[in-house]
Amino acid sequence: GAVVSQHPSRVICKSGTSVKIECRSLDFQATTMFWYRQFPKQSLMLMATSNEGSKATYEQGVEKDKFLINHASLTLSTLTVTSAHPEDSSFYICSATPGRGISYEQYFGPGTRLTVT
Amino acid sequence: AQKVTQAQTEISVVEKEDVTLDCVYETRDTTYYLFWYKQPPSGELVFLIRRNSFDEQNEISGRYSWNFQKSTSSFNFTITASQVVDSAVYFCALSEDSMNTGFQKLVFGTGTRLLVSP
Repeated sequence: GAVVSQHPSRVICKSGTSVKIECRSLDFQATTMFWYRQFPKQSLMLMATSNEGSKATYEQGVEKDKFLINHASLTLSTLTVTSAHPEDSSFYICSATPGRGISYEQYFGPGTRLTVT
Repeated sequence: AQKVTQAQTEISVVEKEDVTLDCVYETRDTTYYLFWYKQPPSGELVFLIRRNSFDEQNEISGRYSWNFQKSTSSFNFTITASQVVDSAVYFCALSEDSMNTGFQKLVFGTGTRLLVSP
């Protein structure tokens, strides 16, 4: 199956700093990438959908100025958590798909565990 | 709006028992996909199955089997002869076209934690 990587796998940062998480599709071109957040013992919630070369579309309740998403190429999307606070501590998972519609599978990255102290 | 319900929060079984994880979904669309994922303690999602809404055939893969019934909007997952390595959180998910983005949207259930003891 297709491979999606995330970097870093774990990050600890101080409150008030920003942290960037990378999501890469290694063996296919990702037209669309998705970012999910998972709090401990909870489900995955979609944060935003991003298309290469265009602005991301955020789900209701997700602050776009806090969670900056850049889908600069067909193989790379980045999520920057700006001015992170302890409540942003979570497991962030990206996925990528080679097409737009539901017939295209989403391939998930291994996730990034963010801890804000 | 699309919704996935996994009513079982946690299930505990003893090794070699069979266990069924329930999944009920809601969708406005006639074309959609259903999924099951396994999430072990490491956190990485492991894809188990993807099922098209037009394909109601049940599927068996080794000790795993899935029962898709559109009449009851259910997509249940059975593990036969469970093993300790099956311990994980299992998520059922539904994919349909998002009215917000025009792209696909994957909605996850709340997950069922399966504990298999020796």
